[in-house]
Amino acid sequence: DQQVKQNSPSLSVQEGRISILNCDYTNSMFDYFLWYKKYPAEGPTFLISISSIKDKNEDGRFTVFLNKSAKHLSLHFVPSQPGDSAVYFCAARGNTGNQFYFGTGTSLTVIP
Amino acid sequence: DAGITQSPRHKVTETGTPVTLRCHQTENHRYMYWYRQDPGHGLRLIHYSYGVKDTDKGEVSDGYSVSRSKTEDFLLTLESATSSQTSVYFCAARGQTEAFFGQGTRLTVV
Repeated sequence: DQQVKQNSPSLSVQEGRISILNCDYTNSMFDYFLWYKKYPAEGPTFLISISSIKDKNEDGRFTVFLNKSAKHLSLHFVPSQPGDSAVYFCAARGNTGNQFYFGTGTSLTVIP
Repeated sequence: DAGITQSPRHKVTETGTPVTLRCHQTENHRYMYWYRQDPGHGLRLIHYSYGVKDTDKGEVSDGYSVSRSKTEDFLLTLESATSSQTSVYFCAARGQTEAFFGQGTRLTVV
């Protein structure tokens, strides 16, 4: 059963506007949540993470919000740029630190 | 960046043949992982390693084996390749918090 879910397979946003990507999880024992970006024919690259004891983390254009009561996290970034068009994966790390669980990804298209 | 290199980058093989994919890291990370990426499934864990000769199964381990004889190398073997193992395979290593990925191996089983 999928422990990390991204319910939007695709998303389009106008250049310059805010992009918001969403993720839900089922296991309350995850200790870190992460976002990755993936271009075709490349490996996923790490964007930003958040500890389960926090509710917000910012790094440059990227902000991740964690709502533990709803078991929901989201990635926000603005302004969206055409180079941001990629697949974004949400991931969670098990509290033993051994494994990472990934969502199915959201394909973001930034329209010029 | 954990300096992760995967080889080969592309491979076509026939059903029933054994295949080994190699992952090499330069940062001395303890944990290493093999994932496969398929449409509609995201990244699924095949096997992982928590040290030399220490490995464990992930969620899609059937038909795969792994070995780690040195900290820097993690091998994934398909004992007898099947068409369902056509996929893109990613190796990763764990840093302090996050996992760092290699560039992937596209494997086609015909």
